[in-house]
Amino acid sequence: GNSVTQMEGPVTLSEEAFLTINCTYTATGYPSLFWYVQYPGEGLQLLLKATKADDKGSNKGFEATYRKETTSFHLEKGSVQVSDSAVYFCAGGYNNNDMRFGAGTRLTVKP
Amino acid sequence: GAGVSQSPSNKVTEKGKDVELRCDPISGHTALYWYRQRLGQGLEFLIYFQGNSAPDKSGLPSDRFSAERTGESVSTLTIQRTQQEDSAVYLCASRVSWGAQYFGPGTRLTVT
Repeated sequence: GNSVTQMEGPVTLSEEAFLTINCTYTATGYPSLFWYVQYPGEGLQLLLKATKADDKGSNKGFEATYRKETTSFHLEKGSVQVSDSAVYFCAGGYNNNDMRFGAGTRLTVKP
Repeated sequence: GAGVSQSPSNKVTEKGKDVELRCDPISGHTALYWYRQRLGQGLEFLIYFQGNSAPDKSGLPSDRFSAERTGESVSTLTIQRTQQEDSAVYLCASRVSWGAQYFGPGTRLTVT
């Protein structure tokens, strides 16, 4: 069936470190893929998205590339900041109805 | 334009009481979802509405939970005879076809 699996946290990094949060999906078709971010005390916000294979979504220095061959959509940032501390959710939109979310990865960036 | 709004933002209720949560989706968004997020946990899908189609209720945890939506407008999530394990943030999201979901700020429900 359709599902999204992401790297378990928590992840703790020092400021300016490189970030990768892994996300893989299972599907019979080609879902749209999303990363959402939830800052402390706030609701979920769309961070970036990609709707077809080889698309790269990017926003606020974060990037993720839709890899059909590895069914992955890993989130990366070259230099994290303290303000990036949040919970990150990977999600797949499988058809007009079905949205699946990963369990979330909590990132803490220390100065 | 306006985003997804939810009310109330916070609700404290006594065990056994009924509560009603409201969601106003973004205008023109045909799809509407309800999720539950317990403290420190991920999103738990509850129910999905798409236009005038029959809703997908597969995520509702018990028959104490129900939701309604009229057309492509407001939705209400009702929890009857609340229990302490119902305490959580209830999130609403709306979406256009194939697009991203846009989330409301949530309603924090505390059952005492």
